[in-house]
Formats: sequence, C-alpha cells, structure tokens
Amino acid sequence: EDKVVQSPLSLVVHEGDTVTLNCSYEVTNFRSLLWYKQEKKAPTFLFMLTSSGIEKKSGRLSSILDKKELFSILNITATQTGDSAIYLCLVGSNYQLIWGAGTKLIIKP
Amino acid sequence: DGGITQSPKYLFRKEGQNVTLSCEQNLNHDAMYWYRQDPGQGLRLIYYSQIVNDFQKGDIAEGYSVSREKKESFPLTVTSAQKNPTAFYLCASTSQGESTDTQYFGPGTRLTVL
Repeated sequence: EDKVVQSPLSLVVHEGDTVTLNCSYEVTNFRSLLWYKQEKKAPTFLFMLTSSGIEKKSGRLSSILDKKELFSILNITATQTGDSAIYLCLVGSNYQLIWGAGTKLIIKP
Repeated sequence: DGGITQSPKYLFRKEGQNVTLSCEQNLNHDAMYWYRQDPGQGLRLIYYSQIVNDFQKGDIAEGYSVSREKKESFPLTVTSAQKNPTAFYLCASTSQGESTDTQYFGPGTRLTVL
C-alpha cells in the first residue's frame, strides 16, 4: 500500500536553531514530492521536487529529494517565530496524491 | 484575479442538519478536491473530481456527498450521517498542465456542529 510518512510529528526549537524535517515515501510510479506550509489557514506551496539531488532553495528554506532512498528533507536555517506552522508533504504518483500527516513545528522566542 | 473561493468562512449548524459548503475556482482547472482537517492533523481526502460530471470517493467519504455539474464548482454536502462533522474543510484544485500535482487551495471553511 502506498504511504507517506513524515517525521518528527512535532518539534519544538528555539529561535535561531536549524531544523530538518523528513518525508519518506513508498509509492508506485512516483511522479513528484511537494512541501507545503500551513499556518492557521490553507496550506501554501513551498517546493516541488521531481529529480534526485537537486536542491531547491527559497531564502532560509531548502529541500532536496533522494529517489534512491525514497525520502525528502526540508531544512529551515536561522528559524524565526514566523516559521511556526504545520509542514505538509504531498507525494504524487501516476495514480493518486498522498499526503503525509504533517510535522508541527513550534519556534520559541 | 484567478483563484479558489470557499464560502462561508465559518459555519455553525445544529446536529442532524445537512449543510453545503461552496467551492468555486476560475483557474480553469479540471481536477478538484475536498479535504477535511482536524486540529493538529494532516489532510484527509473526502472526494475528488477529475472531470465534470464525474467524481470519486476519497479515504473518508462516508457521510459526505458532492456534485460536479460545472467545471468551476464542486460543492460538498455534509449530511446528518457524518458522525463528527466539526472540522476545517479545504477545497483544492490542480491543473492538467506541467505541474499536475501542485494543489491550489481555497481559504477553507470552518464548520462547527452544535
């Protein structure tokens, strides 16, 4: 059965720390992996990854995909309180879209 | 401006009443989705539609119904059969172009059943 697992489920760090969020998947006919950030409203798109080893970067956020080991990481450096959110991973295959359960990130001042 | 609209933003209903949540998009997207989200949880797929007049059940379709009579509209009815309907409901759509997996979300409807 296809599945997407995010870890950790929740994480509390202090402002300025660096965090790494993980999204592992087992999906038939993988097509893409997407990261979203969700505050108290609808998710907003961060990155879409389709190729292994190519880092996508946006400010303090970056992400990379490993299609051999079937996972992606989302890094956030120099965290700020505004980074507090649920980070969601979505994996698309030729047959379906599968969401992970999310990682709840809390940044303490 | 292109986008997805959901209405209302907040909705209160008495137990046992059916309620319909609106979702409209002007992005010319073929596929539309309804998700439910409970506090602190991820998204769970209720129904999706890849084309007008066709829709498929997702993982938690029981107690819900949808219609797709127009490309732009995908309303969701929460029926009295849904045992625990209080939740945040998100509508999304995807294009049939290059990024078919990129989901565009509406602002959501927060439903509270009293």
